[in-house]
Amino acid sequence: GENVEQHPSTLSVQEGDSAVIKCTYSDSASNYFPWYKQELGKGPQLIIDIRSNVGEKKDQRIAVTLNKTAKHFSLHITETQPEDSAVYFCAAVNNAGNMLTFGGGTRLMVKP
Amino acid sequence: EPEVTQTPSHQVTQMGQEVILRCVPISNHLYFYWYRQILGQKVEFLVSFYNNEISEKSEIFDDQFSVERPDGSNFTLKIRSTKLEDSAMYFCASSLGQGRGYTFGSGTRLTVV
Repeated sequence: GENVEQHPSTLSVQEGDSAVIKCTYSDSASNYFPWYKQELGKGPQLIIDIRSNVGEKKDQRIAVTLNKTAKHFSLHITETQPEDSAVYFCAAVNNAGNMLTFGGGTRLMVKP
Repeated sequence: EPEVTQTPSHQVTQMGQEVILRCVPISNHLYFYWYRQILGQKVEFLVSFYNNEISEKSEIFDDQFSVERPDGSNFTLKIRSTKLEDSAMYFCASSLGQGRGYTFGSGTRLTVV
């Protein structure tokens, strides 16, 4: 089955700096890659996603890149703010579209 | 914004007891899922449900677990004969289409003592 690895497990940045989180996946048939933000006591919230036929997608300060050949995708957050502090999860959806496999999560801390 | 609602937010149960975790998915969504997250670990897939039947399940989802959509709005996860290792946060999710736009609830923290 699919295996998703995520790095780093923790990331500390100064407010205003950029943050990059990287994920790799194993199943070349996976075709949809969402990113989730999880705040304390809440469920994962979708922040951005990308399909396998697209190499990059941007939404304001957040961007995601996908390299299908290398089977890795990354989340980029620019101009980080303290409210960006949370745990971020990458995920991959299987070809049948009925199962998400999550990465291990990255705890992002943005220091004011 | 539409939400997935889960109840209760926290459930404490004795080992060996049965628990039912409840979820109200977004009203026009057609696909429903349960995931769990043991403290400090990855979010793990349990089961997906579509058209009143299970469409996919993981190795975790054994005979101890069952899901049901008893009416047009609720989606439940039943855990029979709970074990200590069932203690986790259980998340319900729903999506309109297959494989995209999953919306998660806030979770039910299950503690088995």
